Amino acid sequence: KQEVTQIPAALSVPEGENLVLNCSFTDSAIYNLQWFRQDPGKGLTSLLLIQSSQREQTSGRLNASLDKSSGRSTLYIAASQPGDSATYLCAVATYGGATNKLIFGTGTLLAVQP
Amino acid sequence: DAMVIQNPRYQVTQFGKPVTLSCSQTLNHNVMYWYQQKSSQAPKLLFHYYDKDFNNEADTPDNFQSRRPNTSFCFLDIRSPGLGDAAMYLCATSSELTVSQPQHFGDGTRLSIL
Repeated sequence: KQEVTQIPAALSVPEGENLVLNCSFTDSAIYNLQWFRQDPGKGLTSLLLIQSSQREQTSGRLNASLDKSSGRSTLYIAASQPGDSATYLCAVATYGGATNKLIFGTGTLLAVQP
Repeated sequence: DAMVIQNPRYQVTQFGKPVTLSCSQTLNHNVMYWYQQKSSQAPKLLFHYYDKDFNNEADTPDNFQSRRPNTSFCFLDIRSPGLGDAAMYLCATSSELTVSQPQHFGDGTRLSIL
């Protein structure tokens, strides 16, 4: 059974700092991995999607890497801003019968202090 | 230009009183998903529709039902809500079931049980 873990559960950094969020998964047989952002009381916004054949994806100040063999992904945020404060969730896409299933981690709550 | 719209944003119901949550989409996607997210937990897939075909996750309680009268709308019915059903309910869509297609999420409905 696929399990997704995110460490740390919470992180507080001063504005301008670079930071790394971690995601690990137990079964390397994934199709892709996705990072989402969730603001308080809101839904999920997709940030980056990495296909299993890829090593990384970049969007602006965000860079996500994937090491499928070791079951790990990182989300790097450069020059953090207070507006980056949110919960960041990773999710892996696995094949569950006929379904495109997303298995989520519990997230990392990020607070960027001005 | 919201693409996946959930109503209401907040819903309060009484213990045992049936409740319906609504999701609509302007993306004309074939697949619609319902997730349950309890406080500080990962979103958990309840079921999905591919067009009119319904697919229930094995561990989804019988108390949860869904309807999809047309492409644009999907409803989540909770027949007899218990205190443990208090959660954020997230609706998502994707164009196809293949794992390469990202899921687009609404802002969620937060359900409280009195």
